[in-house]
Amino acid sequence: DIQMTQSPSFLAASVGDRVTITCRASQGIANSLAWYQQKPGEAPKLLLSTASRLHSGVPYRFSGRGSGTDYTLTISSLQPEDFATYSCQQYYSTPWTFGQGTKVEIK
Amino acid sequence: EVHLLESGGGLVQPGASLRLSCAASGFTFSDYRMTWVRQAPGKGLEWVSTISGSGDTSYSADAVKARFTISRDNSKNTLYLQMNSLRPEDTAIYYCAKEEGIVGVVFDSWGQGNLVSVSS
Repeated sequence: DIQMTQSPSFLAASVGDRVTITCRASQGIANSLAWYQQKPGEAPKLLLSTASRLHSGVPYRFSGRGSGTDYTLTISSLQPEDFATYSCQQYYSTPWTFGQGTKVEIK
Repeated sequence: EVHLLESGGGLVQPGASLRLSCAASGFTFSDYRMTWVRQAPGKGLEWVSTISGSGDTSYSADAVKARFTISRDNSKNTLYLQMNSLRPEDTAIYYCAKEEGIVGVVFDSWGQGNLVSVSS
């Protein structure tokens, strides 16, 4: 199974900050990586796929990059509605696996 | 607009069975793979099972393969998860999710979630 490890697990930031979350796969996943946002009591929402492809309706302040085993999600200017938990998911091979999540909290 | 509505969860004892349902609307159901994803309390997301649009192919995580069965009824636009021999570690919110449809098994629409609690 491909293990997905996110860092950090928790992040405290202020509105307007640039935030970067890292996701590392235990083997190469050829950009088969998605990012989700989840707020308490809600279902996850798709942000990006193919490592860098923004899903319809997602603000441009969200971006992704990476290759091989290492990927990042960046929020260029954190907004109040962005405080949430972010999870990566590889879809390169079954079982499809998720990172443990990164909780972005208000500083 | 895509809408996914889960039902069938609840509190059961270890060893019991439950069937979850997910009623879909707003898209051509049979065109998309559908998936169940679960989230234990305070934990991350865990893929459970995926079924093809036609229903003839399915994949399941090792943790549930021998106990859970995914199925679908395309005439009713409904996805199912039959869960047998439930264990306390199966306690989680179970989400049904629709495949994005272009890049692979990526989930662009999710149900609201349905809590399954397994406890004596």
